[in-house]
Amino acid sequence: GAVVSQHPSWVICKSGTSVKIECRSLDFQATTMFWYRQFPKQSLMLMATSNEGSKATYEQGVEKDKFLINHASLTLSTLTVTSAHPEDSSFYICSATDRGPSGANVLTFGAGSRLTVL
Amino acid sequence: GQNIDQPTEMTATEGAIVQINCTYQTSGFNGLFWYQQHAGEAPTFLSYNVLDGLEEKGRFSSFLSRSKGYSYLLLKELQMKDSASYLCAVRDSNYQLIWGAGTKLIIKP
Repeated sequence: GAVVSQHPSWVICKSGTSVKIECRSLDFQATTMFWYRQFPKQSLMLMATSNEGSKATYEQGVEKDKFLINHASLTLSTLTVTSAHPEDSSFYICSATDRGPSGANVLTFGAGSRLTVL
Repeated sequence: GQNIDQPTEMTATEGAIVQINCTYQTSGFNGLFWYQQHAGEAPTFLSYNVLDGLEEKGRFSSFLSRSKGYSYLLLKELQMKDSASYLCAVRDSNYQLIWGAGTKLIIKP
């Protein structure tokens, strides 16, 4: 089945620094990838849709200058949290769609990246 | 607005059966998904329903009634490893996924 690789799985950084998270589709090409954020005991929140070769589409309330998304190839999307602050501490998960056994476009998730900003 | 409702938490006994319900009100419908998420991990795909009826996959089954805006996930022969959150998500007319808040399932011996 489809595999999405994401790293780092966890990162601790100082306030004011930038952190880059990578998301790769390992055995399929993903023209579109999705970045989610999840706070403890809450559901997934879509942050942005990453489109290969074009600008990402951000959800309302998500600062595009703070969460930089680059989708330079069909297998790689990156999310950079710029000038991170403690309130940015969260679980960030990337995903991509692939056609599952049922024929439906199924969303496959990376393992997630837990960011802690001190 | 669009809304997905599912119970916050459920408790069941090892070896038993549990049904997790999901009701939705969305702008159009292009399929309903169930995902399992263990604590601290990313969600993994369980099932997909686009037509009314029951889809069975091993110990897990998922049911859909589009006219009622209703789905359930049925877990049989519960095992301790089934303790997790179960997320219901609906794809709307714009092919956007609308997520429920998840149901935390606690399995007791």
